[in-house]
Amino acid sequence: GIQVEQSPPDLILQEGANSTLRCNFSDSVNNLQWFHQNPWGQLINLFYIPSGTKQNGRLSATTVATERYSLLYISSSQTTDSGVYFCAVGTGFQKLVFGTGTRLLVSP
Amino acid sequence: GAGVSQSPSNKVTEKGKDVELRCDPISGHTALYWYRQSLGQGLEFLIYFQGNSAPDKSGLPSDRFSAERTGGSVSTLTIQRTQQEDSAVYLCASSRPDISYEQYFGPGTRLTVT
Repeated sequence: GIQVEQSPPDLILQEGANSTLRCNFSDSVNNLQWFHQNPWGQLINLFYIPSGTKQNGRLSATTVATERYSLLYISSSQTTDSGVYFCAVGTGFQKLVFGTGTRLLVSP
Repeated sequence: GAGVSQSPSNKVTEKGKDVELRCDPISGHTALYWYRQSLGQGLEFLIYFQGNSAPDKSGLPSDRFSAERTGGSVSTLTIQRTQQEDSAVYLCASSRPDISYEQYFGPGTRLTVT
């Protein structure tokens, strides 16, 4: 089955810093989503991005499907950005396969 | 509109008892998924339903786990004879594949087996 690797596993930032999270996957996909899991465990949809580039405020994401990776950029980080970021991939409407996540801590 | 809802939010049960977890998908979403998140295994797929097709049960860890979806909407995940290793957060998601493959998740049910 598809393998998903995320890096780095842990990241500590000062408020205001920028960061890049990476997701590598082992096979062709046509569904790729980035999630933020908040302290209460809720998975918040950040991007649905099987290919191309999208931006939403301080966050942006790029997926290069032919090279099987996706990047999530966080600019001017805030303490509320803390939590775990998951990349998940899939084929069509079938199951999502999740990476192990990047745990981000933003300190004031 | 309303998101995916799940009940109960927390469930504590004794080993050997049966439990039922409920999921209400977003209205109009034809695909419904169950996942679970545990410390040792991360986020893993359990089962999904899409329209009138046979469900994909390939992620169910044992025959103690079953799920049904009634009327193409609400789904119930049943765990029989619960074991301590069943302790996890059970997450439900839904999508509308005729528009987008994007899945939306509910808040989860935290199951603790004592």
